[in-house]
Amino acid sequence: DAGVIQSPRHEVTEMGQEVTLRCKPISGHNSLFWYRQTMMRGLELLIYFNNNVPIDDSGMPEDRFSAKMPNASFSTLKIQPSEPRDSAVYFCASSLYRGRVGETQYFGPGTRLLVL
Amino acid sequence: EDQVTQSPEALRLQEGESSSLNCSYTVSGLRGLFWYRQDPGKGPEFLFTLYSAGEEKEKERLKATLTKKESFLHITAPKPEDSATYLCAVQNRDDKIIFGKGTRLHILP
Repeated sequence: DAGVIQSPRHEVTEMGQEVTLRCKPISGHNSLFWYRQTMMRGLELLIYFNNNVPIDDSGMPEDRFSAKMPNASFSTLKIQPSEPRDSAVYFCASSLYRGRVGETQYFGPGTRLLVL
Repeated sequence: EDQVTQSPEALRLQEGESSSLNCSYTVSGLRGLFWYRQDPGKGPEFLFTLYSAGEEKEKERLKATLTKKESFLHITAPKPEDSATYLCAVQNRDDKIIFGKGTRLHILP
């Protein structure tokens, strides 16, 4: 398996623009997670899906952020409009099933976002 | 509030110099504690899961241990390729996973 695939790997945009990050989880995994990582706050969970259904989006910072999972092999995280404080590395991860004791999450390589 | 604190923030060791990284946690109903390794420019990579106090797991030069309040990642005779950021995370009774900020480990040849 190729692992979790994310695109783009790097994104530079201007404040106010729409940004869409993409993720393909590992085949057969039922749970998908979006994280944001910064030096100040570390790794923060934004939202996760079980079987394509959003379960907990309490980590989404505000309404400018939205995530979708139209099918088991694809998810997007959208920021509209983007702001400089959104600059971070965004990771997608997948696991066999959320809530399973000791679940192992497999992370993608991340998208490094810079909003000017 | 569930919390994970890792120390030190950064650690520099000479090759072969053994040491330990600490992960202190406060969690409502621990279901699992995880250690991940993260190399620069990459996503975290799973190392270990520990479930209960007293449990230990080993992998090459790494050994993870768990008590009711903290976990240690012991590194024995490290090599330069062990240089990375090591992340600790806990899974609480609501299955929420909380990550610490990590320890940046640098092994000098």
